[in-house]
Amino acid sequence: TQLLEQSPQFLSIQEGENLTVYCNSSSVFSSLQWYRQEPGEGPVLLVTVVTGGEVKKLKRLTFQFGDARKDSSLHITAAQPGDTGLYLCAGELSQGAQKLVFGQGTRLTINP
Amino acid sequence: DAGITQSPRHKVTETGTPVTLRCHQTENHRYMYWYRQDPGHGLRLIHYSYGVKDTDKGEVSDGYSVSRSKTEDFLLTLESATSSQTSVYFCAIKSDPRRTIYFGEGSWLTVV
Repeated sequence: TQLLEQSPQFLSIQEGENLTVYCNSSSVFSSLQWYRQEPGEGPVLLVTVVTGGEVKKLKRLTFQFGDARKDSSLHITAAQPGDTGLYLCAGELSQGAQKLVFGQGTRLTINP
Repeated sequence: DAGITQSPRHKVTETGTPVTLRCHQTENHRYMYWYRQDPGHGLRLIHYSYGVKDTDKGEVSDGYSVSRSKTEDFLLTLESATSSQTSVYFCAIKSDPRRTIYFGEGSWLTVV
């Protein structure tokens, strides 16, 4: 059983379209992080959200942490081929737990 | 660059043989982690360390052991490799106090 359920697991869209990736759980997280991973490399942190309802923007990427701190979303506006990659959400179950649980990942392909 | 080096980067080994993967860090971080990544599972925590000789199990620790005799090195040992341990292994370090985890570039292990 996956503690963090990510959806969709695969997404292929055309350049210029918008998309949203979801990360859901029945557990409460003290923080939630989004990573992007390129083939042959380790995940790279995009953002950390820690407050329920928090919204963070990183250029065309918008990250939201649910009010109850059980879910999060990543929205990409006007997707570009350079956004192609594996996106992973990860949550820290309790403050100071010092370890993360990961979702299954969303493999995103943006077609020119 | 978080100063993480994993070795070996690629290895093919036979079932039943012991294998040790090494993670070396240059920035004196307290926390170090070993994750494995498999399709459909995201990253799963194997073991982690919160100091020299201080280690704890993660969610998929069976068949693995770890050691940390000095701050900069965290070793992951597969005592008797099985085909189910074919995976990509990532070392990670935690950068206190910003709660950012940085990942190494991965070690590809194939057990035949």
